[in-house]
Amino acid sequence: EIVLTQSPGTLSLSPGERATLSCRASQSVSSSFLAWYQQKPGQAPRLLIYGASSRATGVPDRFSGSGSGTDFTLTISRLEPEDFAVYYCQQYGSSPGTFGPGTKVDIK
Amino acid sequence: QLQLQESGPGLVKPSETLSLTCTVSGGSVSNSGYYWGWIRQPPGKGLEWIGHIYYTGNTYYDPSLTSRVTMSVDTSKNQFSLKLSSVTAADTAVYYCARHVPPYGGSFYFDPWGQGTLVTVSS
Repeated sequence: EIVLTQSPGTLSLSPGERATLSCRASQSVSSSFLAWYQQKPGQAPRLLIYGASSRATGVPDRFSGSGSGTDFTLTISRLEPEDFAVYYCQQYGSSPGTFGPGTKVDIK
Repeated sequence: QLQLQESGPGLVKPSETLSLTCTVSGGSVSNSGYYWGWIRQPPGKGLEWIGHIYYTGNTYYDPSLTSRVTMSVDTSKNQFSLKLSSVTAADTAVYYCARHVPPYGGSFYFDPWGQGTLVTVSS
């Protein structure tokens, strides 16, 4: 089973700043099958990115994903008030797919 | 727009069976391009995949839960269901149903998700 580690655990930033979230896998994720989800309090996770860098339908272009192999990054170019949330990465290159522990982006 | 909605008891006694149903609207569980399944999130913790089902009834469960999990699908009602037996307090969680999207050569990512339902295991 592939284990995902996310860093930092918490990221404290101000609106308008750039956020860089990291997801590292214990072994290579085949075909860059890596997804990112956003979860706000009391809500279900929402798919943001799949295939490491493809934005899901309706996701603003300030969200971008990159990476391959074992190292992946989610970047939010300019934080909007609605972006403060928890972000999870998930690998689906091998079965069962596994989630990272999450990074909380909160307001500084 | 595809929507999923979980339903079922919010309180289950220890050693009993948790039963949830997910109703799909705006699309069909019989769509051959997708699978359907369940993910849970214990309070204040991360996400745990439980398993999935195909419209034909084929299933696959997380190995750690396989002895206690049963999933079924009712294409006539556009629903699929989860049963988790012999529950303990450790099964207390928000349970989400989600469409499983299968890329060629990979496992699944999940989109969209239901709003989730909290199931508490307590006497």
